[in-house]
Amino acid sequence: DIQMTQSPASLSASLGETVTIECRASEDIYNGLAWYQQKPGKSPQLLIYNANSLHTGVPSRFSGSGSGTQYSLKINSLQSEDVASYFCQQYYNYPTFGGGTKLELK
Amino acid sequence: EVQLVESGGGLVQPGRSLKLSCLASGFTFSNYGMNWIRQAPGKGLEWVASISSSSSYIYYADTVKGRFTISRDNAKNTLYLQMTSLRSEDTALYYCARQGPPGGFDYWGQGVMVTVSS
Repeated sequence: DIQMTQSPASLSASLGETVTIECRASEDIYNGLAWYQQKPGKSPQLLIYNANSLHTGVPSRFSGSGSGTQYSLKINSLQSEDVASYFCQQYYNYPTFGGGTKLELK
Repeated sequence: EVQLVESGGGLVQPGRSLKLSCLASGFTFSNYGMNWIRQAPGKGLEWVASISSSSSYIYYADTVKGRFTISRDNAKNTLYLQMTSLRSEDTALYYCARQGPPGGFDYWGQGVMVTVSS
C-alpha cells in the first residue's frame, strides 16, 4: 500500500492568513491526489483532484500543487468557514488517505 | 442535485452480519463507479471497497477482504455492502461515495454508523 504522511496534524491560524498543508506519498503517485475538507459532524467534501484541479463550486482561495511524492494544499486569506479537518488521498493505487490536519482559528 | 443516502447501520454483536445500502439520486447511477469508505470515531478515513459502473471490477481493502462484499443494483440506483464476521475494529461511520471521473470521491453520503459490540 502507498502510505500518505500528512503534516502538520493540527494548525492554528488567524483570519486572513495563508495556510499550507503538506502531504508526502511513500512512492511516486503521478499527481493522483485529492484533498478533502471535513467540517465537524459532516461528511468530507472534495476540494482538489489531480493534485491541482479545483472541484466544482470550491472557492478559488483553495489551491493544490506538487508532483512526484510531495504535494500541498494552500488556503489563501483564511475565512472562519475554513475551520475543518483536511485530508489528502492518493488514487494512483488502491486509495489511501493521509492522517488529517485539524485547522483551528487562532 | 446529487444525493447519496446510506441506511442499514446499527449495533451488532461480534461475528454477526449486517448489510448497508446507499440510495443514489440526482445523477445517472449506472455511469459511475462507487465506493464505501469508513471513519472510526475520532479517527481518519479508510477506503473499504470499490465497484465499477457495471460491476465488472471490484476491489477491497485487505482489512475487509473475504468478509465484506460490495454490490450494486443499477435498476434500483442502490449500492450495497454486505458485512460478515464483524469485529470490534469494524466500528465506524460508513460513507458511500461516488467515484469522480477525473479522480477522487466527488460526492459523499451523510454516513451510517455501525457499532460492533457485545
